[in-house]
Amino acid sequence: GQQVMQIPQYQHVQEGEDFTTYCNSSTTLSNIQWYKQRPGGHPVFLIQLVKSGEVKKQKRLTFQFGEAKKNSSLHITATQTTDVGTYFCAEPRGKLIFGQGTELSVKP
Amino acid sequence: DSGVTQTPKHLITATGQRVTLRCSPRSGDLSVYWYQQSLDQGLQFLIQYYNGEERAKGNILERFSAQQFPDLHSELNLSSLELGDSALYFCASSAGFGANVLTFGAGSRLTVL
Repeated sequence: GQQVMQIPQYQHVQEGEDFTTYCNSSTTLSNIQWYKQRPGGHPVFLIQLVKSGEVKKQKRLTFQFGEAKKNSSLHITATQTTDVGTYFCAEPRGKLIFGQGTELSVKP
Repeated sequence: DSGVTQTPKHLITATGQRVTLRCSPRSGDLSVYWYQQSLDQGLQFLIQYYNGEERAKGNILERFSAQQFPDLHSELNLSSLELGDSALYFCASSAGFGANVLTFGAGSRLTVL
């Protein structure tokens, strides 16, 4: 089964509102990856976090890796309709194990 | 275009049948991964090959099998199909055999009637 828990499963926001999805693992991670899957599309790599407490930004997206390297978050500031999709975190365990994903819908 | 090619894009078949899904990895990538994504489900890891050899196995049913050929393309064989096998099957590739960054193909959507 899945090793990494991701919440929430769904998030509906008004355009311009912020959005956050969280991933939690029961064990310490060597790194964590984030992917985005647009509706009808395939997962696309966004970023990889490696260091404890690491924070990385991509325009309106902010990715954080917890100090204990057991959790991570993705925060989107001022969502736009182009942000719609499912966001997955992925944990390396020899192979890449994906969280259940958070499906984001944005109402214009 | 991600560089990972999957065929066919869509496939409709009946229960009890057998199908083969094909994947060509991105140029230079030696690892191929297969994932299953059912409706409202996440990405379930099935199996990984690296340079022709099986490297890791996930929740892959005994009715399913895969292989990676010398030219590095891979095939996922699904037999004795059941309704519950209807899903999107993704192939992904990476350069190494560890849990590297994956490049996904567009997927093959299988519908079992």
